[in-house]
Amino acid sequence: DGGITQSPKYLFRKEGQNVTLSCEQNLNHDAMYWYRQDPGQGLRLIYYSQIVNDFQKGDIAEGYSVSREKKESFPLTVTSAQKNPTAFYLCASSMPPRGPYLRNTGELFFGEGSRLTVL
Amino acid sequence: AQSVTQLDSHVSVSEGTPVLLRCNYSSSYSPSLFWYVQHPNKGLQLLLKYTSAATLVKGINGFEAEFKKSETSFHLTKPSAHMSDAAEYFCVVFYLYSGGGADGLTFGKGTHLIIQP
Repeated sequence: DGGITQSPKYLFRKEGQNVTLSCEQNLNHDAMYWYRQDPGQGLRLIYYSQIVNDFQKGDIAEGYSVSREKKESFPLTVTSAQKNPTAFYLCASSMPPRGPYLRNTGELFFGEGSRLTVL
Repeated sequence: AQSVTQLDSHVSVSEGTPVLLRCNYSSSYSPSLFWYVQHPNKGLQLLLKYTSAATLVKGINGFEAEFKKSETSFHLTKPSAHMSDAAEYFCVVFYLYSGGGADGLTFGKGTHLIIQP
């Protein structure tokens, strides 16, 4: 079955530590995204990547880093510079757009999420 | 710039009664609109989408939504609520070329649907 796999589902971190959240997809999608979800806040975009070896900052990229070395994988590192990292993190991918000027189709496929708690 | 407002943070209905989740959007251009559902500690799942075809859109699990341009609304409805419908619902506006977030998407803050037995 095609889908997006995030791991770990739950993660605890001490202050000052970097942690990396894994996101793997076998949907053959070019575009992948990381969102942060806080209660009552909706989803906020951290980083996105439209193609291998390229990625762009989203609205709240400070304190985070990503890489896109393979089409299937888009790991997110939460660094010690992120002042309030406790949150639910969601990885998503989207189908390729039909036209040359479109960023994406707007339809996202989500993983099950990773909940990070800083102790 | 585009924005989306979900008018109720919480909605409570009895099982078997109709569901109405309200969403208003603001966009300078004709957007695409989506409703997603999220069960606790899970990812989001697409319920339905409007992409400038029929204004009444049918989705999964008996949900539907009507795009009303004159009212800039995209309310989600279901004739009869089921206990399994209890979840968080997100309205999302998407403009293909620019606007919204860097990905063209703007998420509402969500509506928590509670189903009373």
